[in-house]
Amino acid sequence: AQKITQTQPGMFVQEKEAVTLDCTYDTSDPSYGLFWYKQPSSGEMIFLIYQGSYDQQNATEGRYSLNFQKARKSANLVISASQLGDSAMYFCAMSLNSPDYKLSFGAGTTVTVRA
Amino acid sequence: DVKVTQSSRYLVKRTGEKVFLECVQDMDHENMFWYRQDPGLGLRLIYFSYDVKMKEKGDIPEGYSVSREKKERFSLILESASTNQTSMYLCASSPLDRGGLETQYFGPGTRLLVL
Repeated sequence: AQKITQTQPGMFVQEKEAVTLDCTYDTSDPSYGLFWYKQPSSGEMIFLIYQGSYDQQNATEGRYSLNFQKARKSANLVISASQLGDSAMYFCAMSLNSPDYKLSFGAGTTVTVRA
Repeated sequence: DVKVTQSSRYLVKRTGEKVFLECVQDMDHENMFWYRQDPGLGLRLIYFSYDVKMKEKGDIPEGYSVSREKKERFSLILESASTNQTSMYLCASSPLDRGGLETQYFGPGTRLLVL
């Protein structure tokens, strides 16, 4: 079974600075997808960025980038130029290219952006 | 933009009541999912459906059932609500194109309190 580990329960970051959220995963399947979601206090899970296991380049979406190191099985999220609205819980998730479509989530990291 | 809506943001029910949680998506997605989210346990998959009238058990199906009579609507049913079903319930949908690697888009969540 696949496993996602987020070792940072909470982080503080100064406004306008960059922050890196750690995520490691464990799977023996060669085909998988890695996702990051943001969950503000309102509760909605907002999709941020996707990285496929066969993608040659690291994914980027605006201020979000994914530092994908396949050999280390890590998929860290980098948020550049942090804004107050970035304060939220962030989840790393993984799915396999299999019929069960299961998305496995890490425990999450709470990010608090300070003015 | 993908739109996933859930019938209620907050719900209070009594033990033993039958509870219906409704989810509707407007993107013609084949796959729909129900998760529950609990502090310290993360998101866990209850049921998913990859087609109308089709359903598959997730990790924690006990005490729940689902219904998918139309492609856009996926209902979660608590036949006899219990206090241990107090939780945040999140619905998600995804297209079928890349199988398990497609992004799941979430609704705003329903916070259910069972007294």
